[in-house]
Amino acid sequence: SAVISQKPSRDICQRGTSLTIQCQVDSQVTMMFWYRQQPGQSLTLIATANQGSEATYESGFVIDKFPISRPNLTFSTLTVSNMSPEDSSIYLCSAKQGSSGANVLTFGAGSRLTVL
Amino acid sequence: DAKTTQPNSMESNEEEPVHLPCNHSTISGTDYIHWYRQLPSQGPEYVIHGLTSNVNNRMASLAIAEDRKSSTLILHRATLRDAAVYYCIRRGGADGLTFGKGTHLIIQP
Repeated sequence: SAVISQKPSRDICQRGTSLTIQCQVDSQVTMMFWYRQQPGQSLTLIATANQGSEATYESGFVIDKFPISRPNLTFSTLTVSNMSPEDSSIYLCSAKQGSSGANVLTFGAGSRLTVL
Repeated sequence: DAKTTQPNSMESNEEEPVHLPCNHSTISGTDYIHWYRQLPSQGPEYVIHGLTSNVNNRMASLAIAEDRKSSTLILHRATLRDAAVYYCIRRGGADGLTFGKGTHLIIQP
């Protein structure tokens, strides 16, 4: 299965700033996704990162707040814009090969953001 | 809407089998049943998945009810390293996974 690397692994950010998280997969994958995990909570899907086109966002998430890029089949970025303390979370990248329900997802270790 | 129901937590003793139940009574005929687990401070990792038949791999077994409305993840011999949150997820196709709250598995030495 694919191996996913995320950078940064953790960061402390000031209110009002923006941070871009990078996700690199070691092989070409069909689909890439971004998740948020708030403290003590389960994972929530933010968006599907589409290669060469705009990301598809889940309800409650908007492009202005979470712009996503996916320039090729192995790389994606998520930006958390104009951060507030409520954005303090772990952000996870995941990927899968194929579009079948049988296809397995692989996750990165996550990027832990703390907003002061 | 995660569309699956799991107990919030379960406790087991080391080296004993663990049966983690999951209810997915509204599952469609084409939805697969996936199990992932998340160890502390890590991203989720794949455990097992199936459609209709029971499945075995090196990590676990998956027993799927005949009517597919429920399933059970079986860890044959739990170790301390199996302490994690276990997520049961039903999924159809090209979408990302919808995570519920999962079952927090506690392993006692």
